[in-house]
Amino acid sequence: DAGITQSPRHKVTETGTPVTLRCHQTENHRYMYWYRQDPGHGLRLIHYSYGVKDTDKGEVSDGYSVSRSKTEDFLLTLESATSSQTSVYFCAIGDRATNYGYTFGSGTRLTVV
Amino acid sequence: DQQVKQNSPSLSVQEGRISILNCDYTNSMFDYFLWYKKYPAEGPTFLISISSIKDKNEDGRFTVFLNKSAKHLSLHIVPSQPGDSAVYFCAASEETSGSRLTFGEGTQLTVNP
Repeated sequence: DAGITQSPRHKVTETGTPVTLRCHQTENHRYMYWYRQDPGHGLRLIHYSYGVKDTDKGEVSDGYSVSRSKTEDFLLTLESATSSQTSVYFCAIGDRATNYGYTFGSGTRLTVV
Repeated sequence: DQQVKQNSPSLSVQEGRISILNCDYTNSMFDYFLWYKKYPAEGPTFLISISSIKDKNEDGRFTVFLNKSAKHLSLHIVPSQPGDSAVYFCAASEETSGSRLTFGEGTQLTVNP
């Protein structure tokens, strides 16, 4: 693929447990994003990063936190998972300078039971 | 509020015919628009884009039209092929939002042989 991998690909977790999803890129890209995809809502931005230790909230950030300690890794953490966070999560890299040709990872399907 | 809307959740066309996917937006500050295509169990992939200074952009079988006065864009696929069956997302950005994209809900296109 295009130098961006997500792990795990699938996860089932219990309500109230913490969960961390990992995004790893080999493109040395400055901008990284976490989106969630839900039926009827399309892709919604959770958090994004514009550099190491530089992150900001997206439109659906409640219940999520992120960290970026290295250029290549962007972590998404659900502090206490809820059933409403059952979704498919996509990581992406890209920016306006590249005409927004975002490259997406293959996604993580998270089920909170 | 949904700033980018795709009002048709699904579209079915015959192979060889034209597919027209529509997208409306409400934010007049959007100045760049894109279409992404998504197959099941994969991340979205960039398809085609258009700047607000243009009203048409073409790439092979794919053409995107932008009508700024109506705040409407459309993706034309001619001729449609079974391999085009996928979910199509339109996305938009404004310069002041940095490199963030706002996505629509998606339209499932099915091309029947």
